[in-house]
Amino acid sequence: DAKTTQPTSMDCAEGRAANLPCNHSTISGNEYVYWYRQIHSQGPQYIIHGLKNNETNEMASLIITEDRKSSTLILPHATLRDTAVYYCIVNSQGGKLIFGQGTELSVKP
Amino acid sequence: GAGVSQSPSNKVTEKGKDVELRCDPISGHTALYWYRQSLGQGLEFLIYFQGNSAPDKSGLPSDRFSAERTGGSVSTLTIQRTQQEDSAVYLCASSLITVGQGTEAFFGQGTRLTVV
Repeated sequence: DAKTTQPTSMDCAEGRAANLPCNHSTISGNEYVYWYRQIHSQGPQYIIHGLKNNETNEMASLIITEDRKSSTLILPHATLRDTAVYYCIVNSQGGKLIFGQGTELSVKP
Repeated sequence: GAGVSQSPSNKVTEKGKDVELRCDPISGHTALYWYRQSLGQGLEFLIYFQGNSAPDKSGLPSDRFSAERTGGSVSTLTIQRTQQEDSAVYLCASSLITVGQGTEAFFGQGTRLTVV
């Protein structure tokens, strides 16, 4: 599975967009990009995933660069409840998700 | 049920005892995954099932750990002769097909295991 690189931590003001970057320069053609988050003491929560095209759902948007070497998760209007660790995971046919250290996002009033 | 269910939610056991942790996946999900998370650490992959077979057991930390899945549904993770370093939250997830085929996995709330 390809490796991902994320900033260790980020801050965001409440009500503003949170843009979380992820580098995955060794991604191969059949690997999906997944985003999960984990709020303290809870199980990880699925956010969104994509292969080549940008994706949007009720939680977030996923922007994948044309060369697929990086992506950005966008939370359009961050709230205090969005404070969590966000994981970017690149998955292949291996059938499992390997979690890295993620980005600790703090949303501040 | 609506989501992945794990039981018990908390388990305290004495060092040397065996424990069984149970996972009920979302109905119809063929893939099932086990992870563990030690205090302040990231998620560590243990094993996953496709149906009743386990194509990847690479994350099981020792031969004291085993898992099985029956009827393509419920899975049990067994830890024999528990040690203090086994203390962690054990998380289970399920997905319709394997995540390698582009489907999302949903996690339970975990079993917090404390070995004293």
